[in-house]
Amino acid sequence: AQSVAQPEDQVNVAEGNPLTVKCTYSVSGNPYLFWYVQYPNRGLQFLLKYITGDNLVKGSYGFEAEFNKSQTSFHLKKPSALVSDSALYFCAVRDDSGGYQKVTFGIGTKLQVIP
Amino acid sequence: SAVISQKPSRDICQRGTSLTIQCQVDSQVTMMFWYRQQPGQSLTLIATANQGSEATYESGFVIDKFPISRPNLTFSTLTVSNMSPEDSSIYLCSVEMVQGMNTEAFFGQGTRLTVV
Repeated sequence: AQSVAQPEDQVNVAEGNPLTVKCTYSVSGNPYLFWYVQYPNRGLQFLLKYITGDNLVKGSYGFEAEFNKSQTSFHLKKPSALVSDSALYFCAVRDDSGGYQKVTFGIGTKLQVIP
Repeated sequence: SAVISQKPSRDICQRGTSLTIQCQVDSQVTMMFWYRQQPGQSLTLIATANQGSEATYESGFVIDKFPISRPNLTFSTLTVSNMSPEDSSIYLCSVEMVQGMNTEAFFGQGTRLTVV
């Protein structure tokens, strides 16, 4: 079975400071990893994904994430936070072990960027 | 990419009634997915809907409670039947499309359901 853990319910960061939103995963095969953002009263928006290749993945709105196989982590990062980044962030994983595998989402981390 | 429209965006319903949520996609897709996001919780997959066949339900979800229609490759409906306050959630429609070498998921804006 596959699973995703987002250990922090909420992350607070000052505007202009770097931010990190943590995610760890568990799969039996190789992972496909995703980050989504959900703004208030809006649907999920895709930020970035890791399938294969470079461990550092760059995505939308200046976000990036680093795949670390040994630590089974895929933390979301941004060098300089904006107040407009305040939202709910979901990490997700899919196992590529063959056939169709559903996507499993983490519980979400609320990011609060303080002016 | 895909643009997904969900209707209604929100509703307040009486317990014991049913609500049908519509999902329209701007391109043809094989599989459509319905998720539930309960307050303070993550997304949970309810079922996968393929055109021309019965939906496949995840553990804990049954067709009598969440009947799904998939009449064509661009449209699906999810009905929440005999509602109770525990059904108050955001319901999201999702599709997956091949983007280059990879498959990417797209989501509707969700339907915020409150059962009173």
